[in-house]
Amino acid sequence: KQEVTQIPAALSVPEGENLVLNCSFTDSAIYNLQWFRQDPGKGLTSLLLIQSSQREQTSGRLNASLDKSSGRSTLYIAASQPGDSATYLCAVKSSSTGNQFYFGTGTSLTVIP
Amino acid sequence: GAGVSQSPSNKVTEKGKDVELRCDPISGHTALYWYRQSLGQGLEFLIYFQGNSAPDKSGLPSDRFSAERTGGSVSTLTIQRTQQEDSAVYLCASSSFGQATNEKLFFGSGTQLSVL
Repeated sequence: KQEVTQIPAALSVPEGENLVLNCSFTDSAIYNLQWFRQDPGKGLTSLLLIQSSQREQTSGRLNASLDKSSGRSTLYIAASQPGDSATYLCAVKSSSTGNQFYFGTGTSLTVIP
Repeated sequence: GAGVSQSPSNKVTEKGKDVELRCDPISGHTALYWYRQSLGQGLEFLIYFQGNSAPDKSGLPSDRFSAERTGGSVSTLTIQRTQQEDSAVYLCASSSFGQATNEKLFFGSGTQLSVL
């Protein structure tokens, strides 16, 4: 079974700081890894998708990296803004664990103006 | 529509009643997932539909839960004889599933179910 862990569970930073969110997974036979953002009372919005053959993906101020051998991914947010405040979740789907995506429990980010 | 649509957005019911939750995926998306998110918990997989294949029901927590997908589009999740522990946000997601490595999920806003 795939287990996905996100550390830290919560993070508070002042506006303008760069920050890193971590995601680890136990089964490295993944198809891809996705990072999502969830605002309170809302569904999940996909931020970045890294295919198993890729090492990183970038979108604006966001950069996600993937190291399958160590079972880790990081989401780097540059020059954080109060609008970045949300819960960030990572998810993986593995060739060996069926049809579902396995999600971490998320990191709750607060960016203080 | 442009995105995944779920209804109702909120549902309050009494213990023992049946409820139906609806998901309208993005047009053309062949894969559809139901997940449950309880307060402070991660997302729990419930069921997966892909095209005309038999659904993967391995995540349904009990036989009170069932789901169907009609015409490869709209899906309904039914919970019979609701219990208080069924209270959660029920999320639906769809994908176009071209290749597994490139499968990107699109989520609806969820249905908040409260069982009194």
